[in-house]
Amino acid sequence: QTVVTQEPSFSVSPGGTVTLTCGLSSGSVSTSYYPSWYQQTPGQAPRTLIYSTNTRSSGVPDRFSGSILGNKAALTITGAQADDESDYYCVLYVGSGLWVFGGGTRLTVL
Amino acid sequence: EVQLVESGGGLVQPGGSLRLSCAASGFTFIYYEMSWVRQAPGRGLEWVSYIGSSGFTIYYADSVKGRFTISRDNAKNSLYLQMNSLRAEDTAVYYCARTRGRTGWYFDYWGQGTLVTVSS
Repeated sequence: QTVVTQEPSFSVSPGGTVTLTCGLSSGSVSTSYYPSWYQQTPGQAPRTLIYSTNTRSSGVPDRFSGSILGNKAALTITGAQADDESDYYCVLYVGSGLWVFGGGTRLTVL
Repeated sequence: EVQLVESGGGLVQPGGSLRLSCAASGFTFIYYEMSWVRQAPGRGLEWVSYIGSSGFTIYYADSVKGRFTISRDNAKNSLYLQMNSLRAEDTAVYYCARTRGRTGWYFDYWGQGTLVTVSS
């Protein structure tokens, strides 16, 4: 069973930079998993931020960026703003039409 | 503008059935793959099921395999999820999501969701 891991919570100061990660309980995340990232505020639908590791979705500001760092996928927010305070989810495509989401990271901006 | 509007959620008893619908507009539905993703109260997102653009390719998460059936009607621009043998752990907000397959394997647009509550 594939388990995708994310930090449960993270905090960043306004204007600061934060990197959230997305790993596997066993093995390394590579571009072959097509990692994508989603932002969700309470009561709202998810919003697509990044797909195929590092491609920003339409309308997403360039202070959001995706990458592979070591053996994990990463989402970096540069110049954090108050309205970046949200839950962030990564999902990996594990093949054969199957996706596995991470548990999400709650980001606090304070 | 891409719009996805889910409906059909509600309260159902354990063991019961429910059919969710997702009405799509603002894009050529027949060209796109679709998925259902759910979120239990206070929990994270969970991918549930995928259907290819023609409806012939279908996949399910192990947690719903054999109980849920995904389908689509391209003439009506609609996606469906038939849920049978419902359990308390199926309680969640169910989102339909437009899915990009070989162009990136991700979900690019989401509906606002419909709440399914399984309880006696």
